[in-house]
Amino acid sequence: QVTLKESGPGKLQPSQTLSLTCTFSGSSLSTYGLGVGWIRQPSGKGLEWLTNIWWDDDKYYNPSLKSRLTISKDTSNNQAFLKITNVDTADTATYYCVRSQYYGYFDYWGQGVMVTVSS
Amino acid sequence: DIQMTQSPASLSASLGETVSIECLASEGISNDLAWYQQKSGKSPQLLIYAASRLQDGVPSRFSGSGSGTRFSLKISGMQPEDEADYFCQQDYKYPYTFGAGTKLELK
Repeated sequence: QVTLKESGPGKLQPSQTLSLTCTFSGSSLSTYGLGVGWIRQPSGKGLEWLTNIWWDDDKYYNPSLKSRLTISKDTSNNQAFLKITNVDTADTATYYCVRSQYYGYFDYWGQGVMVTVSS
Repeated sequence: DIQMTQSPASLSASLGETVSIECLASEGISNDLAWYQQKSGKSPQLLIYAASRLQDGVPSRFSGSGSGTRFSLKISGMQPEDEADYFCQQDYKYPYTFGAGTKLELK
């Protein structure tokens, strides 16, 4: 059974760096054709894809936030990481870690972690 | 970026009614489209990928169709547990983009 679980700070202040961790089980981050992604959803709003990292360490970012995003993974510990620098109140959202299939759809989602940016 | 336009934004359906949700892409995306269901307070779940392929474990009353720029999700026989938000997503080109969502309620 594939499960993903996000963890993060919950609350942070504007201009700080948000660091999130996704811990995988039941699936390997080194399996050919698989990737990990991050998607966020402000309360009551739609979904925004942020970034993906693939089994071969290839990375893709949403251009709207690219300069602020960094995705990485630790294959040996089955974890993926997301950093967002210089956060603002507009970054307040639930952040989901997702497993990506080769063709780009997301077949497993974490429970999400709520992040609030507030002074 | 490819814009995904979903319609309607909301609808209500009676038990057993057949429901259709449309998704229009701003440019051709072949069949690189997925549909997700998000129940209140929960994470989204994959229903359909490659426009028409049913994800394992998803009830057969859900079906998807379309290619190019026009896609649809059909629920053949609304059930109480189908009350949720539905989102389409294109995985044809980065950045991946989602429709704004359709809220489906039981009448």
